[in-house]
Amino acid sequence: GENVEQHPSTLSVQEGDSAVIKCTYSDSASNYFPWYKQELGKGPQLIIDIRSNVGEKKDQRIAVTLNKTAKHFSLHITETQPEDSAVYFCAASEGTYKYIFGTGTRLKVLA
Amino acid sequence: EAGVVQSPRYKIIEKKQPVAFWCNPISGHNTLYWYLQNLGQGPELLIRYENEEAVDDSQLPKDRFSAERLKGVDSTLKIQPAELGDSAVYLCASSLGRRSRTIQPYNEQFFGPGTRLTVL
Repeated sequence: GENVEQHPSTLSVQEGDSAVIKCTYSDSASNYFPWYKQELGKGPQLIIDIRSNVGEKKDQRIAVTLNKTAKHFSLHITETQPEDSAVYFCAASEGTYKYIFGTGTRLKVLA
Repeated sequence: EAGVVQSPRYKIIEKKQPVAFWCNPISGHNTLYWYLQNLGQGPELLIRYENEEAVDDSQLPKDRFSAERLKGVDSTLKIQPAELGDSAVYLCASSLGRRSRTIQPYNEQFFGPGTRLTVL
């Protein structure tokens, strides 16, 4: 079955710097890759997603890149702000509703 | 528009006691999911419903866990009896569901706040 690895497990950056979180997946049939942000005491919230027919997608300060050949995808946050501090999860899906999540990255943005 | 609603938000019980969690999905969402989230881990699917039918319960420990979605709207997840290792956050999510068999289903999942279960 699908396996998703996520790195790093924790990441500290200075406010205004960029943050990059990387995920790799094992199942070449996966074609949908969402990213979720989970704040303390809340459920995961979708922040951006990418489908396999696209190599990059941007939404303001957030971007995601996908390399299907290497089976990895990354989340990029630019100009980080304290409110970006949270746990971020990547996931992979082959379009059958079943998401396989990574183990999460705790991002701390230092003011 | 209201999001996914879950209750209770927190539950503390003694081991061997029963416990139930309730979820109300976003209005109009046909697909409902129950996930287990252990500390420091990503969510893991327990069961998925399409309307009132459980279409994927392969990861649900059926000896002690059960779920129902009788009218295809809200859902209940039950554990009986609870064990120490069941302490975790139980998340409910919903999505619109399959619109057509010939096109990629729109399957963005929206999560509720979760129920944090502590078994003593």
